[in-house]
Amino acid sequence: AQSVTQLGSHVSVSEGALVLLRCNYSSSVPPYLFWYVQYPNQGLQLLLKYTSAATLVKGINGFEAEFKKSETSFHLTKPSAHMSDAAEYFCAVSGHTGNQFYFGTGTSLTVIP
Amino acid sequence: DTAVSQTPKYLVTQMGNDKSIKCEQNLGHDTMYWYKQDSKKFLKIMFSYNNKELIINETVPNRFSPKSPDKAHLNLHINSLELGDSAVYFCASRQRIYDSYEQYFGPGTRLTVT
Repeated sequence: AQSVTQLGSHVSVSEGALVLLRCNYSSSVPPYLFWYVQYPNQGLQLLLKYTSAATLVKGINGFEAEFKKSETSFHLTKPSAHMSDAAEYFCAVSGHTGNQFYFGTGTSLTVIP
Repeated sequence: DTAVSQTPKYLVTQMGNDKSIKCEQNLGHDTMYWYKQDSKKFLKIMFSYNNKELIINETVPNRFSPKSPDKAHLNLHINSLELGDSAVYFCASRQRIYDSYEQYFGPGTRLTVT
């Protein structure tokens, strides 16, 4: 069975501050891990993914995430928050068949000017 | 140029009615999905089709029936709508990239049942 847990349903940061969104996974097999972003009234857009090629994954808009097997974590970071980063962020996990994606409950990011 | 499109974007209807939501993808993907996102933003998979064959059928009321006339289309028909069906419904398609997969989401259909 696979699942992800996102710690913190709401995160607020000041503009220019570090963004850290937490995701822990549970998987009986090596997982594929994803971060998606959802802007208001829009669909989900892929930010980045981990597929075992490299533990530090860089995505779009300056985001990156590090896969840590020992901590079963895949936290999303960005060095400097921008107002346009305000959105809902979802962590997701899938197995290697890719049929089923399991999403976390989402973290709403607010950026304070 | 929209990769995954859904119609309608907004749907307001009364309890007991039957409605359909359409989804089309022009990406050439073989697998498509329907998700339901509730008011708390929780995203739950409902169905998945691969080449017109149902491969995922999660526990949803049988009032919900997906139809895939071809691999580019996956429609969702809902009978006897209930208040609890109010949500945003997302269609997605899946692409294999090397040794992994990516999902591409449509813009969503906001269903309001009154």
